[in-house]
This record gives sequence, C-alpha cells and structure tokens, in this order.
Amino acid sequence: EPEVTQTPSHQVTQMGQEVILRCVPISNHLYFYWYRQILGQKVEFLVSFYNNEISEKSEIFDDQFSVERPDGSNFTLKIRSTKLEDSAMYFCASGDAYNEQFFGPGTRLTVL
Amino acid sequence: GESVGLHLPTLSVQEGDNSIINCAYSNSASDYFIWYKQESGKGPQFIIDIRSNMDKRQGQRVTVLLNKTVKHLSLQIAATQPGDSAVYFCAENLDSTLTFGKGTMLLVSP
Repeated sequence: EPEVTQTPSHQVTQMGQEVILRCVPISNHLYFYWYRQILGQKVEFLVSFYNNEISEKSEIFDDQFSVERPDGSNFTLKIRSTKLEDSAMYFCASGDAYNEQFFGPGTRLTVL
Repeated sequence: GESVGLHLPTLSVQEGDNSIINCAYSNSASDYFIWYKQESGKGPQFIIDIRSNMDKRQGQRVTVLLNKTVKHLSLQIAATQPGDSAVYFCAENLDSTLTFGKGTMLLVSP
C-alpha cells in the first residue's frame, strides 16, 4: 500500500541553523501539507501546497519557513534559522482530493 | 470526551467493550470532519470521515456521528481491541485547512 515517507526520522540541530525536512508524498497525490506537533500538544496546520504554490498557510508559517517541491517527487520544509520553540514532530501529508489527507511518520526536530 | 484546544482526557475500557470518544468542534461553518488515530511515535492515521450534510457514517467497527446543532462529533468503536489503544483526535475542515483537537487517549485492557 502506498504511503507517505519522511526523512530523517530525527534531526538534531543547533539554534540558528537551517534545517530541511524531506517528504515523499504518495505518487498520484496533488495536495501536500506540513503540520507540526509540539510534544504533548495538538497537531497544528502549517501550510498546504497545490499546483506548485502555497494555497493556505497558518500564522505559525512565518518568513522563517518555506516549502518546495523541487523535483516532482519530494516535498520539503525548510526552516531558515531554527529556534528552541521549533522543536516538535513535523508531519507531512498528501491527498488526492480536496480533503482526504494521508500522513507520514513524522520527523522529530530537536533544536538545542 | 475532548474539545478542540483542551487537555488530553483518557478513556479506559476492557477488551470487547464498545468505546465512544467525543469531540466538540468550534466552527459551525466547517464542512468536513475526520477522525484520526495516532499511535506512539507514529503519524496520524485516517480512520473515518464525514461531511456536514450527513449525520452518521459507518466503517469497519467504527461509526462517526455528527450533531451540527450542538457542534458535536463522536467516534464509536465496536468490540474494542488492545490494538485500538492510541490517541484519537478529530479534525474539522474549513477553507481547506484542518484544525485538530488535542485528542483522547484510549487505553484498552485485555
């Protein structure tokens, strides 16, 4: 069964460093999403992406964040200058319709 | 039960019992609702969804009920199994953005 994959599973970085989180969505999906989940808290929407552009973004998704679909298969989330409060699980999701979303296993980001 | 934005409650049941997990959503304009299951260390897993023009939808061992009058959503799991132990949360969709609740932890004892 096709699934969303994410790499790395765990990323440790120093505050101020740039990180890129990678996702490979399900191959025939057209809608892509990033979410984050701070430990013990709810899943929070960051951004949705369709037709090679951002369709929606939340207040969390500020200028430090960017997304890209560089090669037609990968979908990346870049955090330019990480802060301690960026430590969280980051989930990528993809969908083939307006609403249905399938989640990847997540990348745990730890900012020291 | 849980409400979007509140602390994480826990529901403990015995294997074979039926479980009911509740969710109060916030926006009466939301048009689509999803229940997800999240096991420790894993991403959310789609369970069942329902659109706002329905009040009930059934899947395999699961039923979702939607009461738009009181903005309430529930997930019923029949014959709960130890493998059902996880955090369950609802999500509401508005303008292509999903808003998640914090979840309810379901603990199933053998």
